[in-house]
Amino acid sequence: QKEVEQDPGPLSVPEGAIVSLNCTYSNSAFQYFMWYRQYSRKGPELLMYTYSSGNKEDGRFTAQVDKSSKYISLFIRDSQPSDSATYLCACLPGTASKLTFGTGTRLQVTL
Amino acid sequence: NAGVMQNPRHLVRRRGQEARLRCSPMKGHSHVYWYRQLPEEGLKFMVYLQKENIIDESGMPKERFSAEFPKEGPSILRIQQVVRGDSAAYFCASSPGYVTDTQYFGPGTRLTVL
Repeated sequence: QKEVEQDPGPLSVPEGAIVSLNCTYSNSAFQYFMWYRQYSRKGPELLMYTYSSGNKEDGRFTAQVDKSSKYISLFIRDSQPSDSATYLCACLPGTASKLTFGTGTRLQVTL
Repeated sequence: NAGVMQNPRHLVRRRGQEARLRCSPMKGHSHVYWYRQLPEEGLKFMVYLQKENIIDESGMPKERFSAEFPKEGPSILRIQQVVRGDSAAYFCASSPGYVTDTQYFGPGTRLTVL
């Protein structure tokens, strides 16, 4: 079993839709949770960084962590074609710098 | 403020040759990480280095792979006697220092082994 599971998609939504992206994890040592966006043939770009359980909002993006169920989510409001990319969740224990990534969900926002 | 720089962006090697990938961290960052992304897979941690020290190499294959981050100059990921299975995108990330600091990624080096 992978430490971080993520549905690879692809996920196709119309412009303006609310997008929900999710990951589950199995390692209880994970304390920090990140979402990265990766455009085709580019490096990952950090979108959201959260610690422990709770919500964090930044513009159209909301990250949610539920440590009791080991479930992390990213919501994108008013999705745009420029949001079309692969979204990677990543987890970090509090005592090491080794990020563990999900496989990524490919998102396509259509006009 | 330049981001993480990696070169070359594309590298083609024949089986048995050596591949040398370079990474210059963001200004002020003293911690470097290497990750590998195979087709249709997520990024996998390889190694974590600070200047002149390997901190965690638990993700490095036991043979043919090595990494260094010298006092002066970029970090180098070296792959000796490459095989086709080494074909992948190799990403470098850097952070300012503390264990849980944000890691900023470079554009990657795409290695193709013929």
